[in-house]
Amino acid sequence: EPEVTQTPSHQVTQMGQEVILRCVPISNHLYFYWYRQILGQKVEFLVSFYNNEISEKSEIFDDQFSVERPDGSNFTLKIRSTKLEDSAMYFCASSEGREETQYFGPGTRLLVL
Amino acid sequence: SQKIEQNSEALNIQEGKTATLTCNYTNYSPAYLQWYRQDPGRGPVFLLLIRENEKEKRKERLKVTFDTTLKQSLFHITASQPADSATYLCALDSRGFQKLVFGTGTRLLVSP
Repeated sequence: EPEVTQTPSHQVTQMGQEVILRCVPISNHLYFYWYRQILGQKVEFLVSFYNNEISEKSEIFDDQFSVERPDGSNFTLKIRSTKLEDSAMYFCASSEGREETQYFGPGTRLLVL
Repeated sequence: SQKIEQNSEALNIQEGKTATLTCNYTNYSPAYLQWYRQDPGRGPVFLLLIRENEKEKRKERLKVTFDTTLKQSLFHITASQPADSATYLCALDSRGFQKLVFGTGTRLLVSP
């Protein structure tokens, strides 16, 4: 069964460093998403992406964040200058259509020291 | 303000019984609602999606109901097994937007 994959599974970085989290969505899906989950808290929406542009973003998704679909298969989230409070699990998701099921990847655990 | 409420206390049940989890929401009019399972340190795994014009949906031992008048969804696992122990998340679409809004989840513990 097709699934969303994410790399790396874990990332440790120093405050102020840039990180890139990578995702390979399900191949026939058209809508892509990033969510995050701080330890012990809810899953929170960051951004949605369709047709090579951001369609929606949350207040969390400030100028430090960017997303890109550099080729036909990858979808990336970049954090330009990481802060301690960026430590969280980051989940990529994809869906076939606008109001269809979102399938989540296993996540990248980011720890900012 | 918009709110999604799931019982934050863990639900403990005996193997073989039916588990019923509740998701209540206020100030939303979702077009659909999804239930996910999440194990510690893992991503949410999709279980069921129910749309606003559907009252009930089933998949194997799982059943979801959606009452838009009560603004509530119930999630049932029949003949529960210890392997069903996990956190179950309710997620609503935010009508007109592409994001899912998640509840805090309810932890289910099924003892043998």
